Amino acid sequence: ETGVTQSPTHLIKTRGQQVTLRCSSQSGHNTVSWYQQALGQGPQFIFQYYREEENGRGNFPPRFSGLQFPNYSSELNVNALELDDSALYLCASSFRESPEQYFGPGTRLTVT
Amino acid sequence: QKEVEQNSGPLSVPEGAIASLNCTYSDRGSQSFFWYRQYSGKSPELIMSIYSNGDKEDGRFTAQLNKASQYVSLLIRDSQPSDSATYLCAVNLMDSSYKLIFGSGTRLLVRP
Repeated sequence: ETGVTQSPTHLIKTRGQQVTLRCSSQSGHNTVSWYQQALGQGPQFIFQYYREEENGRGNFPPRFSGLQFPNYSSELNVNALELDDSALYLCASSFRESPEQYFGPGTRLTVT
Repeated sequence: QKEVEQNSGPLSVPEGAIASLNCTYSDRGSQSFFWYRQYSGKSPELIMSIYSNGDKEDGRFTAQLNKASQYVSLLIRDSQPSDSATYLCAVNLMDSSYKLIFGSGTRLLVRP
């Protein structure tokens, strides 16, 4: 167990809806990164938050947005859901000064 | 060209054998390299990190790095059926976000 928690575990949404996923980082970690993992693929970097600001973004459209709170927890918001957004969404926490990232259990999102 | 490449497998080895997993990467500026293990339906678990050329051993696992050849490998000695999983190679690009770039993973099957 890494101490990183995510909610909800599973989620089913309809195309066009909006979704918010939540992550609590491991105690002491100040950085949160979000990844999308499609079936049979490796995780793809969405963005990272440090000190409540976005600190790097992958090749994802603006309808993917996020927040980090003062307690270092984070949210991932996805607007106008598309079928291709169906995936496992992973949150990883780390120290800003260290490249080692530890993943939470993930949220399985299904868009119908 | 993919930034991080792995053979998708499956790599099948008998119990007690050495499993050898390989990974190549394209960005010569990469500084940090990781191996994650992912069981089916679970999130990735960090099992090894390596930062300098050579070998790094941790229990039954040995990570090997050759920056000149842009090559990372993971050896698992005395393979057990419980080692059956997908092994993801990840590379840290040297930008401000420490984002991880993952390969698609190699599926390892250890036969009893």
